[in-house]
Amino acid sequence: EADIYQTPRYLVIGTGKKITLECSQTMGHDKMYWYQQDPGMELHLIHYSYGVNSTEKGDLSSESTVSRIRTEHFPLTLESARPSHTSQYLCASSESTGTRNTGELFFGEGSRLTVL
Amino acid sequence: GQNIDQPTEMTATEGAIVQINCTYQTSGFNGLFWYQQHAGEAPTFLSYNVLDGLEEKGRFSSFLSRSKGYSYLLLKELQMKDSASYLCAVRSVNYGGATNKLIFGTGTLLAVQP
Repeated sequence: EADIYQTPRYLVIGTGKKITLECSQTMGHDKMYWYQQDPGMELHLIHYSYGVNSTEKGDLSSESTVSRIRTEHFPLTLESARPSHTSQYLCASSESTGTRNTGELFFGEGSRLTVL
Repeated sequence: GQNIDQPTEMTATEGAIVQINCTYQTSGFNGLFWYQQHAGEAPTFLSYNVLDGLEEKGRFSSFLSRSKGYSYLLLKELQMKDSASYLCAVRSVNYGGATNKLIFGTGTLLAVQP
């Protein structure tokens, strides 16, 4: 059973507000990711981290930022939310690939953001 | 570039067998994953193939042909709870220089009918 948690699950806010989506995992995984998913569409990688103090942008341009100060914590921040940011944000983590594991992603439940 | 294709929707009958296909184009192929995603929930891992052939896990099996850039997910003895979106995802070692980033297809929405 995966242990990766996201809060809040649902958030409705007004334009211009600053928000932080929290993601924590208790599996000791080095690698963590943020994906964005719109209804009926594929998951797009927006940020990833391979360890503490390591963050990179993904394949989909995003105005959000991330930080990785602790292994278990990978928050995503939007300084000024806009309606175009309305989407579902999924956090995931994985072990490094090796002979005994596939490096599969374990996903959190997601944070559904609506910006009015 | 990277590209993954899978049917948008499929319908099948409870108790039957269904095959969901996935074709991909990528450089530096390093594994293919299938995930299940129920509406409003997070994707959950189903299967992984990195070598050609069939991997069986209970009612679910996944097949890979690297030379053809082709995979399928086979679901047997379908149950109503199998109604979900099935995501094909490919890992590429050349993708942005990282070895564990996955590229996801749009998913196949499977509806299981009584």
